[in-house]
Amino acid sequence: NAGVTQTPKFQVLKTGQSMTLQCAQDMNHEYMSWYRQDPGMGLRLIHYSVGAGITDQGEVPNGYNVSRSTTEDFPLRLLSAAPSQTSVYFCASSWVLAGGLWTGELFFGEGSRLTVL
Amino acid sequence: AQTVTQSQPEMSVQEAETVTLSCTYDTSESDYYLFWYKQPPSRQMILVIRQEAYKQQNATENRFSVNFQKAAKSFSLKISDSQLGDAAMYFCAYWSGNTGKLIFGQGTTLQVKP
Repeated sequence: NAGVTQTPKFQVLKTGQSMTLQCAQDMNHEYMSWYRQDPGMGLRLIHYSVGAGITDQGEVPNGYNVSRSTTEDFPLRLLSAAPSQTSVYFCASSWVLAGGLWTGELFFGEGSRLTVL
Repeated sequence: AQTVTQSQPEMSVQEAETVTLSCTYDTSESDYYLFWYKQPPSRQMILVIRQEAYKQQNATENRFSVNFQKAAKSFSLKISDSQLGDAAMYFCAYWSGNTGKLIFGQGTTLQVKP
């Protein structure tokens, strides 16, 4: 009963390095998303996807790329890390029912703490 | 673009008392949902309550209830009979029926005093 799995849980990068945060869910959720959480800023949506092959930008997409080649996986790529990307990153997924009906129950991963020096 | 604002960074309440957390949002859409999520120190996000915009009746879930004022774009959370386990950060969130985006507010940290 894995739910939403994020890896790695901790990562330290140097400015300019690239990396990928992995997110996988085993609940056949159509909706997957990435958020970053910073003190006083709440959770801000980076990118999201409503199904395989479909992605869209959220509130703070700059510096991040995503792809959704399968229903299960939604990796987040940092192309050239900057200190401003130091944050805790959450992957979240959910069902989205037809007609826009949604329970609102978003399943979150445990978070990935990223530090960029 | 939709925005969600929580103007109270921190709140405190005495155990067994009632507290209300505020949330306002801005949207031009008619099809949307509103939510309150709880994040305890474990960082896991827990859905507390949801409200469909087309429903006039305020949602309730046990000790949790909302005051949904659609015209004023206000969505407050009332916690009755507060318990120590209610201490957490609470996030108000808006889901767009048009775009599928779920947008969160800045969060309110709730302290419950014994």
